Amino acid sequence: GQQVMQIPQYQHVQEGEDFTTYCNSSTTLSNIQWYKQRPGGHPVFLIQLVKSGEVKKQKRLTFQFGEAKKNSSLHITATQTTDVGTYFCAGIPGNQFYFGTGTSLTVIP
Amino acid sequence: ETGVTQTPRHLVMGMTNKKSLKCEQHLGHNAMYWYKQSAKKPLELMFVYNFKEQTENNSVPSRFSPECPNSSHLFLHLHTLQPEDSALYLCASNPTGGANTGELFFGEGSRLTVL
Repeated sequence: GQQVMQIPQYQHVQEGEDFTTYCNSSTTLSNIQWYKQRPGGHPVFLIQLVKSGEVKKQKRLTFQFGEAKKNSSLHITATQTTDVGTYFCAGIPGNQFYFGTGTSLTVIP
Repeated sequence: ETGVTQTPRHLVMGMTNKKSLKCEQHLGHNAMYWYKQSAKKPLELMFVYNFKEQTENNSVPSRFSPECPNSSHLFLHLHTLQPEDSALYLCASNPTGGANTGELFFGEGSRLTVL
């Protein structure tokens, strides 16, 4: 069945350090979405990537979609305490959302 | 405020109780979803409704019974649950039920504890 793996599961960084989470699918994806869930909150949509090799930026966040459309990454430059939360990728192989396990980010002030 | 409202936010029930979770969306979307979120597990898709019709049942035990009376409302009826069913239950909506047409809008979730 469809599997979307995400690494690392946990990441602790000092404020100001960079952070990256990786998402890998067992099958080719039509597109991929990224969500952020703050502690005690619900997942909130961040971005969608559709094209092979696509790179999108949102301020300090950079999102990439692999050339083979099987992997993706989210990179945060110079983390801030407001970046704390769990970041999920959602792979879409056809018409359904398959969520990764998430990466929980802790930012130490 | 996401436009998706879930009630109750917290629920504690015994294994023999019958309770229901409610979800309402004010976004005019046609698809609604139930997800289960347990600790250290990915978001698990439970049910999908498109234009009030169930289009996905992800091998969910029959002690969970969904109901979608219209495109704006979704219920999850709970009966004879087990302690391992304790989790955060998230409702979500999408414009047309297709992942290619937009993102999921999640509610705040209902935190369920089964004693």
